[in-house]
Amino acid sequence: QKEVEQDPGPLSVPEGAIVSLNCTYSNSAFQYFMWYRQYSRKGPELLMYTYSSGNKEDGRFTAQVDKSSKYISLFIRDSQPSDSATYLCAMSAPTGFQKLVFGTGTRLLVSP
Amino acid sequence: DAGITQSPRHKVTETGTPVTLRCHQTENHRYMYWYRQDPGHGLRLIHYSYGVKDTDKGEVSDGYSVSRSKTEDFLLTLESATSSQTSVYFCAIRPDRVGGELFFGEGSRLTVL
Repeated sequence: QKEVEQDPGPLSVPEGAIVSLNCTYSNSAFQYFMWYRQYSRKGPELLMYTYSSGNKEDGRFTAQVDKSSKYISLFIRDSQPSDSATYLCAMSAPTGFQKLVFGTGTRLLVSP
Repeated sequence: DAGITQSPRHKVTETGTPVTLRCHQTENHRYMYWYRQDPGHGLRLIHYSYGVKDTDKGEVSDGYSVSRSKTEDFLLTLESATSSQTSVYFCAIRPDRVGGELFFGEGSRLTVL
């Protein structure tokens, strides 16, 4: 079993829809949670960063962490065609090397 | 931009030849990483560095070596390239604080024929 599980998609939605992207994890030591966005043939770019549980909002994006369920989510409101990309979740624990563990990514397609 | 430059961005080589990929940063961060990204596997850590001349192996280090003689440069070498090393390679840097996030370069696309 992988430490981080993420549905690969693709997830296809119409423009303006609310998108929910999710990851589950097994390591209860994870404290730092990130979402990266990766456009085709580009490097991953940090989108959201959250410490421990709770919500964080930035414009149309909301990151949510539920440590009791070992489940994190990224919500995108009013989705745009420019949001079409692969979204990677990542997380780390505050111990040792603090290795960042990545999900395999969910491909999102937003159609006009 | 995170101040990371990877070179070359694209390379085609033949099996058995040596290949060196370069990562250059302008952020003066201590931590630097090399990942490879393949369909179905996501990002996998090859090697990382926590300072000049301080490096360690990641989860897929076989067939790769690294060197870091200056803070700003981290080199990844494939001593004898194989077709299984055809991939996209990403360099990343991390600020030196607990829970620090990674910042990635644009990637180097390597094809081994």
